[in-house]
Amino acid sequence: AQTVTQSQPEMSVQEAETVTLSCTYDTSESDYYLFWYKQPPSRQMILVIRQEAYKQQNATENRFSVNFQKAAKSFSLKISDSQLGDAAMYFCAYRSAAGNNRKLIWGLGTSLAVNP
Amino acid sequence: NAGVTQTPKFRVLKTGQSMTLLCAQDMNHEYMYWYRQDPGMGLRLIHYSVGEGTTAKGEVPDGYNVSRLKKQNFLLGLESAAPSQTSVYFCASRTDRYLIAGYTFGSGTRLTVV
Repeated sequence: AQTVTQSQPEMSVQEAETVTLSCTYDTSESDYYLFWYKQPPSRQMILVIRQEAYKQQNATENRFSVNFQKAAKSFSLKISDSQLGDAAMYFCAYRSAAGNNRKLIWGLGTSLAVNP
Repeated sequence: NAGVTQTPKFRVLKTGQSMTLLCAQDMNHEYMYWYRQDPGMGLRLIHYSVGEGTTAKGEVPDGYNVSRLKKQNFLLGLESAAPSQTSVYFCASRTDRYLIAGYTFGSGTRLTVV
């Protein structure tokens, strides 16, 4: 069974600086999708960025980018020029490309604080 | 705004009472999910649906029932609430047209069982 591990329960960053959140996963599959979700204090989960396993190029969305290392099964999230609004819980998630249900496998999250 | 709407947002129940949480989406998504979120345990899947009239069990289905009579609605029922069901409940939906599609989440329901 697949698992997702976020080894940093809490992190902090100074406003305007860069922070990297770690995520590793375990799978025997070759085709899958990886996601980072953000959950601010308002509670609603928001999709930040996603990556297809068969694409070598790292995904980028404005200030958010990933470092996808397929062989190492690592999918870290880099937030550049951190803003106060980036403070939130961040969840890494995995989904197999096979099967009918294609459920997400979630990490336990990393709480990010942004210091002014 | 298009999206996923959950009602109610907050609820307090006494042990043994029943209630239904409603999730409605207006994006014509095929897949819908109910999760619970507890401190230190992340998101755990309760039940899910791959289309109108279908439901399936997730990781933690005991004590819950669901129905998807209409494509846009996914109901989560608690027949006899227990304190262990105190949690924040999230509904999510997803299209199956694109494999890379992410989930759209509702804003959650905070349920307290006393």
